[in-house]
Amino acid sequence: SQTIHQWPATLVQPVGSPLSLECTVEGTSNPNLYWYRQAAGRGLQLLFYSVGIGQISSEVPQNLSASRPQDRQFILSSKKLLLSDSGFYLCAWSYLRGTGGETQYFGPGTRLLVL
Amino acid sequence: RKEVEQDPGPFNVPEGATVAFNCTYSNSASQSFFWYRQDCRKEPKLLMSVYSSGNEDGRFTAQLNRASQYISLLIRDSKLSDSATYLCVVNHSGDDKIIFGKGTRLHILP
Repeated sequence: SQTIHQWPATLVQPVGSPLSLECTVEGTSNPNLYWYRQAAGRGLQLLFYSVGIGQISSEVPQNLSASRPQDRQFILSSKKLLLSDSGFYLCAWSYLRGTGGETQYFGPGTRLLVL
Repeated sequence: RKEVEQDPGPFNVPEGATVAFNCTYSNSASQSFFWYRQDCRKEPKLLMSVYSSGNEDGRFTAQLNRASQYISLLIRDSKLSDSATYLCVVNHSGDDKIIFGKGTRLHILP
């Protein structure tokens, strides 16, 4: 069966510090991978998605970046955090386009507080 | 018009009652529809897919109305554990875009 991991679970960082959040998927190959942010009381905002190693699409302009160094690893980074970066960061995976498996499966999330 | 719209609620419903909420979508080319459930401070989890003919899973019934461009979720005999936020999700297969609604909060009252 497939599982998705995220770490850390919670993070408190000062403004201006760097960020690295990691997501890994087990039990499937060549998944689509996604990064979402959910601010307090808000809906899910898609930040990045990836259909393969090294292939990253950005949905919104921001000071965040994403990388996919391996098939089942997705990393969210920032060089300098802003207060507005606080939120609940969720990684998700789905099967490749065309297989009919558009369902997304979410990791447990990382709760980030920037002070 | 927003791509996916939901009544944010909260819906406060007594235990045992039936509750229903809708989700409207703007893109008529949308092809896949889902309901997710999100508990407080947790990740969203798939509740059920929504098929054209409608589908039922225990106390939950999902329906799709393409003509009016909405999907619905009906919960019968509601339980305290049904309290959560329910997210509507629409997929545009053409551009592989998945859109989440902001969710409807449901509180089941004892």
